[in-house]
Amino acid sequence: DALMTQSPLSLSVTLGQPASISCRSSQGLVQSDGNTDLNWFQQRPGQSPRRLIYRVSNRDSGVPDRFSGSGSGTDFTLKISRVEAEDVAVYYCMQYRHWPHTFGQGTKLEIK
Amino acid sequence: EVQLVESGGGLVQPGGSLKLSCAASAFSFSSHWMAWVRQAPGKGLEWVANTNEHGSEKYYVDSVRGRFTISRDNAKNSLYLQMDSLRTEDTAVYYCVPGGAGIWGQGTTVTVSS
Repeated sequence: DALMTQSPLSLSVTLGQPASISCRSSQGLVQSDGNTDLNWFQQRPGQSPRRLIYRVSNRDSGVPDRFSGSGSGTDFTLKISRVEAEDVAVYYCMQYRHWPHTFGQGTKLEIK
Repeated sequence: EVQLVESGGGLVQPGGSLKLSCAASAFSFSSHWMAWVRQAPGKGLEWVANTNEHGSEKYYVDSVRGRFTISRDNAKNSLYLQMDSLRTEDTAVYYCVPGGAGIWGQGTTVTVSS
């Protein structure tokens, strides 16, 4: 299985400050067509998950532009340029290049 | 509005069976791989099973292979998960999602307990 390792597992950030979450895969995630199958999700307390970023760096519709994704190969990053109160959530990366598809452990973001 | 509505969850004893359903609306269901993802209480997300657009290819995570069966009915825009020989560790909220997981419903809760 492709193991997805996120760090840190918890993050305490002051409002308006940036935040960064790392995700490392134990296997490469590049498809033969050149696409990289790595997505990021947000799960607010008591809610279903919501996809934020697909294929490493593409924001989903309605996602604020303070969220950005980057990376290549086996190392990926989700960045929030200025954290807002509504960003309190658990964030997951997920690979779907290999079966079984696998998620990272989740990173809990709280406001300091 | 695109919607996925899961149903069929409930309380079942270990060893029992349950069938989950997912109804898709305003969504090109028959054009997408579909999957079930679960989340145990207080835990992370786990991808459980996948099926291709026609239902001819199916993949299962090791922990459910041989016990769970994923299926679909494109005429009804519906996805199913037949769960047999249920174990306490199958207790979770179950979500149906399209390939890439760009859409999520509210999930349905399965509790396996005596």
